[in-house]
Amino acid sequence: AQSVTQLGSHVSVSEGALVLLRCNYSSSVPPYLFWYVQYPNQGLQLLLKYTSAATLVKGINGFEAEFKKSETSFHLTKPSAHMSDAAEYFCAVSDQDTGRRALTFGSGTRLQVQP
Amino acid sequence: GAGVSQTPSNKVTEKGKYVELRCDPISGHTALYWYRQSLGQGPEFLIYFQGTGAADDSGLPNDRFFAVRPEGSVSTLKIQRTERGDSAVYLCASSLFGLQETQYFGPGTRLLVL
Repeated sequence: AQSVTQLGSHVSVSEGALVLLRCNYSSSVPPYLFWYVQYPNQGLQLLLKYTSAATLVKGINGFEAEFKKSETSFHLTKPSAHMSDAAEYFCAVSDQDTGRRALTFGSGTRLQVQP
Repeated sequence: GAGVSQTPSNKVTEKGKYVELRCDPISGHTALYWYRQSLGQGPEFLIYFQGTGAADDSGLPNDRFFAVRPEGSVSTLKIQRTERGDSAVYLCASSLFGLQETQYFGPGTRLLVL
């Protein structure tokens, strides 16, 4: 079964600093990969997704992620953090190999942005 | 356009009671998903509908949980004989058909079983 590991349940950065949130997946066949953001008391919002096209994916709000097959990783980055980026971030995969449509989520990383 | 809506936004019930949670997907989305998110965890898959039929119900934890989508649009998640461990946020998502299609999530229903 697919699994997703998000290293670091909490990440704290200063405003203007680089944001790096880590995600590793377990599948031997590259899955479809997604990053979602969840603001307090709100639903999940898609930031970006990888679907076998370009390995560097650009998303909303200045975020991007790079698919690295050799490292089975899909880390999320943003060059300069803004206070409004404080939220919970989830990496998720869908299984291209089996065609199962259910998303498997990581346990999430809470991003804090210090002024 | 309108996104995925879920009602109620909050539900408090007593142990042993029956609850229904409703999801109204984005118009035209044939796929509908239910997930459950416990405190401090990522969402966990419960069930997936393609049209009116449950195409994958492998995530339902036991037979107290059941979901329907009779006309291929609105879906209802039903929980019988609720237990305190059922307390969580229940999320609904919808998408167009296709494995790589984005799942759009609703705001969730926060269920508290006392």
